[in-house]
Amino acid sequence: ELKVEQNPLFLSMQEGKNYTIYCNYSTTSDRLYWYRQDPGKSLESLFVLLSNGAVKQEGRLMASLDTKARLSTLHITAAVHDLSATYFCAVDMKETSGSRLTFGEGTQLTVNP
Amino acid sequence: DAGITQSPRYKITETGRQVTLMCHQTWSHSYMFWYRQDLGHGLRLIYYSAAADITDKGEVPDGYVVSRSKTENFPLTLESATRSQTSVYFCASSGRGLAGAGELFFGEGSRLTVL
Repeated sequence: ELKVEQNPLFLSMQEGKNYTIYCNYSTTSDRLYWYRQDPGKSLESLFVLLSNGAVKQEGRLMASLDTKARLSTLHITAAVHDLSATYFCAVDMKETSGSRLTFGEGTQLTVNP
Repeated sequence: DAGITQSPRYKITETGRQVTLMCHQTWSHSYMFWYRQDLGHGLRLIYYSAAADITDKGEVPDGYVVSRSKTENFPLTLESATRSQTSVYFCASSGRGLAGAGELFFGEGSRLTVL
């Protein structure tokens, strides 16, 4: 059974600070996705990482994937209040029949002024 | 507008009633999914479909039924609702082929309360 673990689950940080969210998964996969969810809203795709060593950046967020370590990171640089949201990583379970994503529990990020 | 829409957005029902949540996408994506979101569990896959008339169970399928007679629609039915099925339900679609699920695009969610 594929397990996807994020840490921390809750993160409170000050504006202007840097921090990293970690996503570990338990089986071989070379596709990993990051999503953002605002309270009461749907999930919005942030990054799609499709190979070992992939790095994607958008604004103050940067995501990377190390398939050998089964680890992805979401790095936040100089946080601003607008980044407050819940962030999910999801891993492709392609080795099972059918193809689908397994999600981590999510990291609830609060950026304080 | 193109996209993925769910209905109803909010539903209150009673234990034992049948409830159907609708999902419609206009992208002609082959894959469609139903997830439920609960505090402490993240998103859990209920059922998914690789194409019309092809469906398969996910992680938590018990108590749910799906069908996919047309590519664009993927309704989820709770045949006899229970309180444990109180949740937010998200429909999603993906355009990748059988090689693997790609990026998912989510609907706005359907918030279901079972009394």
